[in-house]
Amino acid sequence: DTGVSQDPRHKITKRGQNVTFRCDPISEHNRLYWYRQTLGQGPEFLTYFQNEAQLEKSRLLSDRFSAERPKGSFSTLEIQRTEQGDSAMYLCASSLESGGDQETQYFGPGTRLLVL
Amino acid sequence: QKEVEQNSGPLSVPEGAIASLNCTYSDRGSQSFFWYRQYSGKSPELIMSIYSNGDKEDGRFTAQLNKASQYVSLLIRDSQPSDSATYLCAVNMGGDYKLSFGAGTTVTVRA
Repeated sequence: DTGVSQDPRHKITKRGQNVTFRCDPISEHNRLYWYRQTLGQGPEFLTYFQNEAQLEKSRLLSDRFSAERPKGSFSTLEIQRTEQGDSAMYLCASSLESGGDQETQYFGPGTRLLVL
Repeated sequence: QKEVEQNSGPLSVPEGAIASLNCTYSDRGSQSFFWYRQYSGKSPELIMSIYSNGDKEDGRFTAQLNKASQYVSLLIRDSQPSDSATYLCAVNMGGDYKLSFGAGTTVTVRA
């Protein structure tokens, strides 16, 4: 069990550029989540995959954001035409579907994005 | 009204004391509750989960859940400087898979 990994760990970009982040979940986990966290706040849900299907998207996820999980393994989160308000820590989490309520999400190290 | 609220910090406790953290949530149908610890600049790390009313102990940590009062708490006994971090309360609201988080309570353990 190598844990959830994310790449890159840090990204600095100029306003208007596109960025893409990658998340590799724990190998047997079929659920994958993206959250965003700004300073002084708890993580906020962005989107969720079960296997390769994107089952829910938050209202926070504008049209500039897109996420994929093409083979039900790793996932990518792309932000187009970045804005300074996109600066945040982007967190990926994964869990194993348990069929009940007792399902735990484990977080990766995060990608810290700074838009100049 | 925020869905998950935590007592405002920062909370400063002397080494060896008990740190008490509180969390309330708005959805009475919530079934799963988690405490995550987050060191500055790092990602959240799970320390406790609780699903049933009552207490759950794990080492120096005790989580307490009262669904009727929509309240969950975390006690840290014999606080150590390494416990200095932000503690996040997270709830699966109404059976959703996604987690709703409070803003966190920052704890500082002074030697």
